[in-house]
Amino acid sequence: DAKTTQPPSMDCAEGRAANLPCNHSTISGNEYVYWYRQIHSQGPQYIIHGLKNNETNEMASLIITEDRKSSTLILPHATLRDTAVYYCIVRVAGTGANNLFFGTGTRLTVIP
Amino acid sequence: SQTIHQWPATLVQPVGSPLSLECTVEGTSNPNLYWYRQAAGRGLQLLFYSVGIGQISSEVPQNLSASRPQDRQFILSSKKLLLSDSGFYLCAWIQGFYSNQPQHFGDGTRLSIL
Repeated sequence: DAKTTQPPSMDCAEGRAANLPCNHSTISGNEYVYWYRQIHSQGPQYIIHGLKNNETNEMASLIITEDRKSSTLILPHATLRDTAVYYCIVRVAGTGANNLFFGTGTRLTVIP
Repeated sequence: SQTIHQWPATLVQPVGSPLSLECTVEGTSNPNLYWYRQAAGRGLQLLFYSVGIGQISSEVPQNLSASRPQDRQFILSSKKLLLSDSGFYLCAWIQGFYSNQPQHFGDGTRLSIL
């Protein structure tokens, strides 16, 4: 599975949009981009995933560049409860058993 | 909706003692189930996965074992814990082995070995 690069930390004002970038320049054509977040002492929480089209759900939007080498997770109106470590992962669909390389992620701090 | 439960949330055990961590999934049938270990500041290491009752695949040789006695129950065990078994253990499920659907995780068990 391709590896990802994320900034170690970001701050965002409460109520503003949080834009979290991820670089996955070695992604292959059959790898999906998944975003999770983890609050201390809890399990990772799934947020969103996509292959090449932009995706939106009730939690966030995922923007994938046309060359698929990078993506951005957008939390449209950040709240204090969005403070967490956010992980970007790329994984081949159809590999039911695999190590998930979470890396170090981006620690997002939402500031009141 | 589907939910996944893990217990206990925290556990402190002496070296050499046995271990049993339990994971159950509700709201789905025939899920694929996974046990991961997360070391501090690092990614998730896959320990075991199961595609059905009694079917266990081990990814790494170690001091642990897994069992799936029922469709939605997954148990992680050890006969004798080592100091190196300390960590954050996560259970996850996914519907369909060959799928682009995401894995969903429980809240984990933080295991400390003394």
